[in-house]
Amino acid sequence: DTAVSQTPKYLVTQMGNDKSIKCEQNLGHDTMYWYKQDSKKFLKIMFSYNNKELIINETVPNRFSPKSPDKAHLNLHINSLELGDSAVYFCASSHLREFRTQYFGPGTRLTVL
Amino acid sequence: GQQLNQSPQSMFIQEGEDVSMNCTSSSIFNTWLWYKQDPGEGPVLLIALYKAGELTSNGRLTAQFGITRKDSFLNISASIPSDVGIYFCAGQGETSGSRLTFGEGTQLTVNP
Repeated sequence: DTAVSQTPKYLVTQMGNDKSIKCEQNLGHDTMYWYKQDSKKFLKIMFSYNNKELIINETVPNRFSPKSPDKAHLNLHINSLELGDSAVYFCASSHLREFRTQYFGPGTRLTVL
Repeated sequence: GQQLNQSPQSMFIQEGEDVSMNCTSSSIFNTWLWYKQDPGEGPVLLIALYKAGELTSNGRLTAQFGITRKDSFLNISASIPSDVGIYFCAGQGETSGSRLTFGEGTQLTVNP
């Protein structure tokens, strides 16, 4: 039933590790996004994919690599995790022509120790 | 990059009171959006505004797209405890393509 789902909900890991967050949407949307929400609740776009192609790539360290195996999935892989990567990461989806109406997942809280 | 200034940062009100929050930008926006985020959840779209001067309601919520295209406000009437959460404005700027820029959020607390 869930429209946009993310796994895991919580992720606690050590500095230097590599981790992945998965996102799936069953809304039939062609565009998916990753946002980062910092400790002050500020939401910032990181990446956007349309039909498996990267269309938005903000100034994000190249330790972050999104992967879209198909248009219903957008995963985020993070290498060599740093303390400053601790945040809540949200996946979202929309139709590209209706990008103003984005549906968000429940978020993944990443804590780097 | 574009920035949105959202105020107030937080509000503490009694149940039944009306609430108003606003968002301003230094540049023109083509679309204004208002989202609500409940604790532990992702933001949910409340209202979308597409034209300068547009006034749109969704139940007890009313939002307006400022005529200068650089601001928007959200009003909540007769607040109830479940209105608690963080309210975000977001917008699509003239030159931002399909990017949305989010405000810093307004944390609303409603005392029963």
